[in-house]
Amino acid sequence: EVPLEESGGGLVQPGGSLRLSCAASGFSVSSNHMTWLRQAPGKGLEWVSIIYANANTYYADSVKGRFTISRHNSEDTLYLQMNSLRPDDTAMYYCARARGYYDSAGIFSISFFVDWGLGTQVTVSS
Amino acid sequence: QSALTQPRSVSGSLGQSVTLSCTGTSGDVGRYNYVSWYQEHPGKAPKLLIYDVTKRPSGVPDRFSGSKSGNTASLTISGLQAEDEADYSCASYAGSYTFVIFGGGTKLTVL
Repeated sequence: EVPLEESGGGLVQPGGSLRLSCAASGFSVSSNHMTWLRQAPGKGLEWVSIIYANANTYYADSVKGRFTISRHNSEDTLYLQMNSLRPDDTAMYYCARARGYYDSAGIFSISFFVDWGLGTQVTVSS
Repeated sequence: QSALTQPRSVSGSLGQSVTLSCTGTSGDVGRYNYVSWYQEHPGKAPKLLIYDVTKRPSGVPDRFSGSKSGNTASLTISGLQAEDEADYSCASYAGSYTFVIFGGGTKLTVL
């Protein structure tokens, strides 16, 4: 059983929007730090966004102001709303759980990602 | 912040050992002990192999080991098996602004 399953990818024109979903099974999305990552063709993985258990959200500079991460607690589903899409957003998008550590100041350091899904392909092209 | 540097490809023979490198800077790999390694097979979910530089999740064979020296982290795979042929990516925490950066990935070929 795959603990996370992404959906919602597809072909979209530049400037368009898509909403990706990530359904969790076996654990609560709201009790975990959930992330989106992506991998463009022929490129390495890239961290995109995180929503902490306390609902704080953060984004990579490359998507800030265009993407929004959210979750539906009762349905254990994570979302990524992607607006103003560009060709360089073309990638396989993955969701995963982030694990790490809090320091004495309460700042969370991401150490690693577990329970990746199989991904959903997003292609931005005219 | 730039991506971590990994060799594009590495090869090794069945039963041998190989070491994959991952070079960052004093702001990421050199500063934090939060280096992780992932194995990627086509059509499968990426799999966590090593975290916190040297730790192995349960279920990962002890043929996989991690280490770090200065700004360079390494993944060593001993007793190479055919199923080890895959892409391997490293990642490092890079602070509360950049969060996490990845390497470009290394394609391991088992001869």
